[in-house]
Amino acid sequence: AQSVTQLGSHVSVSEGALVLLRCNYSSSVPPYLFWYVQYPNQGLQLLLKYTSAATLVKGINGFEAEFKKSETSFHLTKPSAHMSDAAEYFCAVSPAAGNKLTFGGGTRVLVKP
Amino acid sequence: GAVVSQHPSWVICKSGTSVKIECRSLDFQATTMFWYRQFPKQSLMLMATSNEGSKATYEQGVEKDKFLINHASLTLSTLTVTSAHPEDSSFYICSARVSSTGVYEQYFGPGTRLTVT
Repeated sequence: AQSVTQLGSHVSVSEGALVLLRCNYSSSVPPYLFWYVQYPNQGLQLLLKYTSAATLVKGINGFEAEFKKSETSFHLTKPSAHMSDAAEYFCAVSPAAGNKLTFGGGTRVLVKP
Repeated sequence: GAVVSQHPSWVICKSGTSVKIECRSLDFQATTMFWYRQFPKQSLMLMATSNEGSKATYEQGVEKDKFLINHASLTLSTLTVTSAHPEDSSFYICSARVSSTGVYEQYFGPGTRLTVT
């Protein structure tokens, strides 16, 4: 069984400040981990993924995430927030052997000018 | 590449009627597609896995007779909400599975907003 917990349903950051979105997972098998972004009334866009290679994963739009097995975490960061980063972000996990995704509850990011 | 479309993007139907939502992979073939629903301000919940040429696999609690899924070709899966009721109003999102460098990825469609009046 798998589950994902995203700490904080809403995050507010100032433009130019660090963005940190937290994700903890539970998985009975080595997980594949993903971060997706969703803009209003749109589908999901993949930001980055962890697939058991490098633990520090770089994605699109300046985002990166670090897989920490000891902490069962996969937090997403971006050094400097941009207004266009305002969106909903979802962390997801799938078993290594397949790809049924289990999503976290999502974190809505608000960027203040 | 790896573009997934959905049609319609939004639909309003009356209670008791049926509505069909299409999910297409535009530039690739997908033997497996997934259907999710998302209630306002909530996360995505997997409804079913759609496999080309075979019956869909439904998640626990999803009524297969109410949410009919057909995956008749490698580029098209359809979700039909039968006898729709207001509680079926939701955002329905499909995804198509693609193998990339040995790892499966899901590419998501833009979603279909269903409102049942």
